[in-house]
Amino acid sequence: TQLLEQSPQFLSIQEGENLTVYCNSSSVFSSLQWYRQEPGEGPVLLVTVVTGGEVKKLKRLTFQFGDARKDSSLHITAAQPGDTGLYLCGTNNQGGKLIFGQGTELSVKP
Amino acid sequence: GAGVSQSPSNKVTEKGKDVELRCDPISGHTALYWYRQSLGQGLEFLIYFQGNSAPDKSGLPSDRFSAERTGGSVSTLTIQRTQQEDSAVYLCASSLGTGLNTEAFFGQGTRLTVV
Repeated sequence: TQLLEQSPQFLSIQEGENLTVYCNSSSVFSSLQWYRQEPGEGPVLLVTVVTGGEVKKLKRLTFQFGDARKDSSLHITAAQPGDTGLYLCGTNNQGGKLIFGQGTELSVKP
Repeated sequence: GAGVSQSPSNKVTEKGKDVELRCDPISGHTALYWYRQSLGQGLEFLIYFQGNSAPDKSGLPSDRFSAERTGGSVSTLTIQRTQQEDSAVYLCASSLGTGLNTEAFFGQGTRLTVV
């Protein structure tokens, strides 16, 4: 079973601060996706990482895939209230089953 | 359609009643997923379909839960004899396939409340 562990579970910060959230597993990922979910909505894909050591940037968001492809991180620079939401990491195993971690609930206060 | 559509958006039911939740995936998407999400929690995998078949039903919590998909399109999740612990948001997603880089598109969910 490929279990995804996310940390921290909750994060409350002030506007302008930086933060990092983590996604870890004891198994090797073939690829990993990060989604963001706003209240009352379904999750929306932010990025997919595939190659060990890969770094992808999406404006103020930086995603990194560990060299061994067993972990990933999401770093947000100068967080804004619009970044508030639930951040989920997910992976699609060989059988096609798309599973997710328990999420990091981020609150950015003005 | 333009996106994944789920109905109803909200459902309040009495304990012991059966409920049916519907998901209309994006046209042409062969893979369809069902998840359950409790308040502030992540997504609990329930079942997924590739076409009309369900290769993995391991996430269904009990035999009160069942799902089907017909015509490679619409899917229905049925919960029989609902219990209060079934209260949650049920999310459906679809994707073009089940490849490693495939993006899943989610509906807005059905909020189920069992009273």
